[in-house]
Order: sequence, then structure tokens, then C-alpha cells
Amino acid sequence: DAGITQSPRYKITETGRQVTLMCHQTWSHSYMFWYRQDLGHGLRLIYYSAAADITDKGEVSDGYVVSRSKTENFPLTLESATRSQTSVYFCASSGSGNPQETQYFGPGTRLLVL
Amino acid sequence: AQSVTQPDIHITVSEGASLELRCNYSYGATPYLFWYVQSPGQGLQLLLKYFSGDTLVQGIKGFEAEFKRSQSSFNLRKPSVHWSDAAEYFCAVGARGGGNKLTFGTGTQLKVEL
Repeated sequence: DAGITQSPRYKITETGRQVTLMCHQTWSHSYMFWYRQDLGHGLRLIYYSAAADITDKGEVSDGYVVSRSKTENFPLTLESATRSQTSVYFCASSGSGNPQETQYFGPGTRLLVL
Repeated sequence: AQSVTQPDIHITVSEGASLELRCNYSYGATPYLFWYVQSPGQGLQLLLKYFSGDTLVQGIKGFEAEFKRSQSSFNLRKPSVHWSDAAEYFCAVGARGGGNKLTFGTGTQLKVEL
């Protein structure tokens, strides 16, 4: 039972480069989420998806793009990375949009933008 | 919009001592409330959640939390802390009809002294 995985776990890139963070879940959960974690801010929602081909912005979506062509994958792309996007990124999934559903988190990707 | 405040950034307790982590929320109706724990270098794991009914909820690892509507609080407690409880703890609130989007607090870092 692989659950929810993220790759890469660590990434160093340079300002202006495009970076894609991958998220894969094996539960066929319909909902998937991307958060970023920063000191003093906790976790903030970047994007979420209710199903394949249905995505919506969260609180801090500027500079990020997502896609969801398959239920199990939810990649997050930084189109032109900036230093302010240095963060830890977490992917999560849940079985539905019901708030009673538990969100399951991946192990995170640590991104450093130089 | 909902919000969560965790007033304590860092807390240090001795092993075997009791623990209470504070969480205050802002939401117009009865909220969905969660506590997550994040061990170093790991993703988030759900400790417990509250939706309705009994205001004292039990979670995993011996944790409990009490919902107090009059104080807009959902404090996490444990009667006797173990060294392995050292981690970061996040309180989160979800909105009814919000598509399972969570708003997190900024977290409380727990240190356990042996």
C-alpha cells in the first residue's frame, strides 16, 4: 500500500527555471491538494482538485500551475521559480470534498530556489 | 473566511508532564476542527477531529481535545507526555460546503525534556 508519494524529495533550482513537483496517490481519491509550509505561516493551500480535469485556486496560487489528467497524479509546476517559492511543499488527498473526510499527506518536497 | 490561531510557537515540557496546546478558531458556524502532528522530516498525520456531538474527542497516541464553542477553542491535551511526542502540532479548521479545504494555524513546536 504505497499511499501518497511525492517526488523529488529535495530539489535545488535557480531563479527563473521551471520546476515540476510530482504527487501520486494509490487510493483513487477524488480530491487532491497542494500546500506550502513556511515558518510563521503554517500550511497554506496553493491549489486543489476535485477530480480529473477539475482544479481550483487556493490562497497562494500566484506563480503556480497545476494539471490533473489522471485521478492518481497531481503535478505542481512553478513556471518561473522565484526565491520566495523556497519552501516545503506537501501534497494531500481525500476521498471526497466532505470536510469529515481525512486528508492524507505525502512526505513533502523541500525546494530551494537560488 | 475561517482562520485559526495557535498562540504558542514553542512549548517545552518534561517527559511525564501533562500537555495542553491551544487553538482558537474563527468561523461563523459550527466548524470542522482537526489536530495534525508533523514529526521531523515527515508529512502530517491526523491526531483527531471534531464535527459535532460530544465536545471531548479522543484521538490516537493518547491525545484528546475539547471543543468549547463559547471560547472558540479546540485545545489539545495529553495527560503524560512521552519523548516521542516531540513534534510540530497544527490545528486546522474546515468549512461546511468548503470542498474539504483546510485552513491551518501556524503550528506549535513541542520539545520534550528528558
